[in-house]
Amino acid sequence: AQSVTQLGSHVSVSEGALVLLRCNYSSSVPPYLFWYVQYPNQGLQLLLKYTSAATLVKGINGFEAEFKKSETSFHLTKPSAHMSDAAEYFCAVSPASGGSYIPTFGRGTSLIVHP
Amino acid sequence: NAGVTQTPKFQVLKTGQSMTLQCAQDMNHNSMYWYRQDPGMGLRLIYYSASEGTTDKGEVPNGYNVSRLNKREFSLRLESAAPSQTSVYFCASIDRAKNIQYFGAGTRLSVL
Repeated sequence: AQSVTQLGSHVSVSEGALVLLRCNYSSSVPPYLFWYVQYPNQGLQLLLKYTSAATLVKGINGFEAEFKKSETSFHLTKPSAHMSDAAEYFCAVSPASGGSYIPTFGRGTSLIVHP
Repeated sequence: NAGVTQTPKFQVLKTGQSMTLQCAQDMNHNSMYWYRQDPGMGLRLIYYSASEGTTDKGEVPNGYNVSRLNKREFSLRLESAAPSQTSVYFCASIDRAKNIQYFGAGTRLSVL
């Protein structure tokens, strides 16, 4: 069984400020973890993923996330927010073994960037 | 590269009408998915197809049927639409080697 909890349905930051989007997961087997981004009126696209290599994962557009097994967390950060980062962000978990390719998504966090 | 293509982009139905949402991918992926997205609920899996010729129920299958027509195409049918099916529907396929899902642009459905 697997689940994802994203803390905060909305996060508001000023342009240039640190972005921190929180994700905690539970999984009965070692997980793969993902962050997807959804811009208005578009589908989801992969931002970054963790697949048991380096625990600090770098993605597109300056985002990165750190896998912390002890905290069962995979928080997404960006040092300096840009207006173009305004979007919906989804954390997802998928089992790393067993042949299941069915990820479980969190409920999403809407990032609002103020000028 | 087209990726995952969904049609139509928008649709308005009356309660009780039927319709089929179409999805096609050109990446030679085996597995395909249908999700619905509702405010505050994230993505919920309706049906998925692990490979051509197989389909399985997801979290919210009631009121829907699917057909995996061939490796490229995976359609979602609403036999008798209900207002509770007003949602944004996304089709996706997965690159198993990279464990990355690719999503279509979505179909925005309103049932009146």
